[in-house]
Amino acid sequence: NAGVTQTPKFQVLKTGQSMTLQCAQDMNHEYMSWYRQDPGMGLRLIHYSVGAGITDQGEVPNGYNVSRSTTEDFPLRLLSAAPSQTSVYFCASRSFSGGGYTFGSGTRLTVV
Amino acid sequence: AQKVTQAQTEISVVEKEDVTLDCVYETRDTTYYLFWYKQPPSGELVFLIRRNSFDEQNEISGRYSWNFQKSTSSFNFTITASQVVDSAVYFCALSEAPGGTSYGKLTFGQGTILTVHP
Repeated sequence: NAGVTQTPKFQVLKTGQSMTLQCAQDMNHEYMSWYRQDPGMGLRLIHYSVGAGITDQGEVPNGYNVSRSTTEDFPLRLLSAAPSQTSVYFCASRSFSGGGYTFGSGTRLTVV
Repeated sequence: AQKVTQAQTEISVVEKEDVTLDCVYETRDTTYYLFWYKQPPSGELVFLIRRNSFDEQNEISGRYSWNFQKSTSSFNFTITASQVVDSAVYFCALSEAPGGTSYGKLTFGQGTILTVHP
């Protein structure tokens, strides 16, 4: 099925470890973005991209890196995991031409 | 900067009651989109509706209806004859219209937890 695929679905990290959350879409959407969801705070934008080779920071970028080498992929890297990064992470994509956002199913990350 | 406020943190109703979820937004853009998403206990985000700022017509889809009032910057969501399956977290969100530099960014409200009791 076409859509946004996130892997893994669940992950437990130790403080200080690094990892990459994967996000891929097959709809040729130009825009891709990462959000984190914390209780009582809705979803907050971490980083976003308007096309291959172009990324920008969102509301809560500290501790995260992104790159966009292809239209399809937008991985999110945690450089040195901290307990404050325990959250549910969603990747989303959107076309230039309009329409809604397509969200992945989420990655539940726990940092101990 | 854009901002979305959902003042109701939690709402509890009994099945078959009508319930309205409030959403107030702030933006300096003249054109923008408003969204409602549903997040059931399974965790995925389910798209419900998108509304263009030019279109102030109210919309009804089955038991769901939306009231967009540009004059008060509100985009409220009503569920008629609520059902237990409507229990979820509901998010209101805002984005620029296509062409803007921030078009890819979606600003969410804090969410409203709706519990429908049998």
